[in-house]
Amino acid sequence: GAVVSQHPSWVICKSGTSVKIECRSLDFQATTMFWYRQFPKQSLMLMATSNEGSKATYEQGVEKDKFLINHASLTLSTLTVTSAHPEDSSFYICSAPKTVNTEAFFGQGTRLTVV
Amino acid sequence: AQSVAQPEDQVNVAEGNPLTVKCTYSVSGNPYLFWYVQYPNRGLQFLLKYITGDNLVKGSYGFEAEFNKSQTSFHLKKPSALVSDSALYFCAVRDVSNAGKSTFGDGTTLTVKP
Repeated sequence: GAVVSQHPSWVICKSGTSVKIECRSLDFQATTMFWYRQFPKQSLMLMATSNEGSKATYEQGVEKDKFLINHASLTLSTLTVTSAHPEDSSFYICSAPKTVNTEAFFGQGTRLTVV
Repeated sequence: AQSVAQPEDQVNVAEGNPLTVKCTYSVSGNPYLFWYVQYPNRGLQFLLKYITGDNLVKGSYGFEAEFNKSQTSFHLKKPSALVSDSALYFCAVRDVSNAGKSTFGDGTTLTVKP
């Protein structure tokens, strides 16, 4: 199947700093990518839909100025957590479907810990 | 709005026994249904999907799922469970009219004991 690569797999940062997470589709072009946040033993919460060449669409309650999303090419979307705080610590996952009626391919996830 | 319900937080089975992980859904149009599995600290892996066609769908690792339109269910099944099947399972429905956005159930933790 298709491959979506997410980097880094884990990161520890100090409170107040920013962290960038990359999501790449390695063998297909993804005009749309999705960013999720997952708390321990909970489901995936959709944060935003990343659209190539246009602004991301954020879900209600997600701060767009805090979670910056850039989809600069058909194979790369980035999520930047700005001025991170301990409550931002979580597991972040990206996904990209090849088409709207195929399965989504997920990155490996990024464990963010803010200290 | 679409939604997915996984009524069981936890399913425990003995190795070799059949397993079922339940899922019900609610959509306004034709359902695009998926099952994914997640291992600790990893992303989700695709198991199987129902888009159209036969109600019984076969997928990876011996899993299958039966689409039941009248009961709006899409239960995941396997005839003989393995210890290595122990993981977190998510049912999802895709909204093809909304950029392919997926809605996930809350997940079911499957534990297979030797």
